[in-house]
Amino acid sequence: QLHLQESGPGLVQPSETLSLTCSVSGGSINTNNYYWGFVRQPPGKGLEYIGCVYFSGTTYYNPSLKTRVTISVDTSKNQFSLRLTSVTATDTAVYYCMRSEGYYSYDMDVWGKGTTVTVAS
Amino acid sequence: QTVVTQEPSLSVSPGGTVTLTCGLTSGSVSSSYWPSWYQQTPGQAPRKIMYNTNRLSSGVPDRFSGSILGNKAALTITGAQADDESDYHCLLYMSGGLWVFGGGTKLTVL
Repeated sequence: QLHLQESGPGLVQPSETLSLTCSVSGGSINTNNYYWGFVRQPPGKGLEYIGCVYFSGTTYYNPSLKTRVTISVDTSKNQFSLRLTSVTATDTAVYYCMRSEGYYSYDMDVWGKGTTVTVAS
Repeated sequence: QTVVTQEPSLSVSPGGTVTLTCGLTSGSVSSSYWPSWYQQTPGQAPRKIMYNTNRLSSGVPDRFSGSILGNKAALTITGAQADDESDYHCLLYMSGGLWVFGGGTKLTVL
């Protein structure tokens, strides 16, 4: 069974860079038609799609975050990563990594448990 | 900018029927947006319960159904139970690797 696990610092200073890694187990990231990405949820609010990456390295980003986001993939480690620059308190959220299907159903079928990231000094 | 709309909150009586909707501030939702629905309880990750408009995810009770109603995607719960009390999020695929979530609906069963 496919399992996704987020890891990274729980506290980030304002104006610094948020970095998270998602480790994939129980399956390969080198799979056609699946994208690997991140979704976040600020406290008490709804879900926000951040972006995703294909195993080839092709990326897609939410236009509202595009100037600050980089998502990359490391197929040798079966991992993918998020970098969000110049963070502010509004970037405080639970960050989820997920797998999205991009050919038959265009949904998000596997999710990590999420990791809380707080932006504060 | 496209905004996906959902009712902020709804309530249903145990055994009753409730319909949650997912619309667009500009335009109509159709199956070509590949609507999917996610159930989320406090402290937990979202769980996919419906995809391709009306395809039920494995293990999800068949009291859940999906459809297009008018110009919106819809999730209907027929015979609601107490453990259906959750937040429900709809997701639309806009093309070009862009997905957009609705704001979520908090469903109360009382």
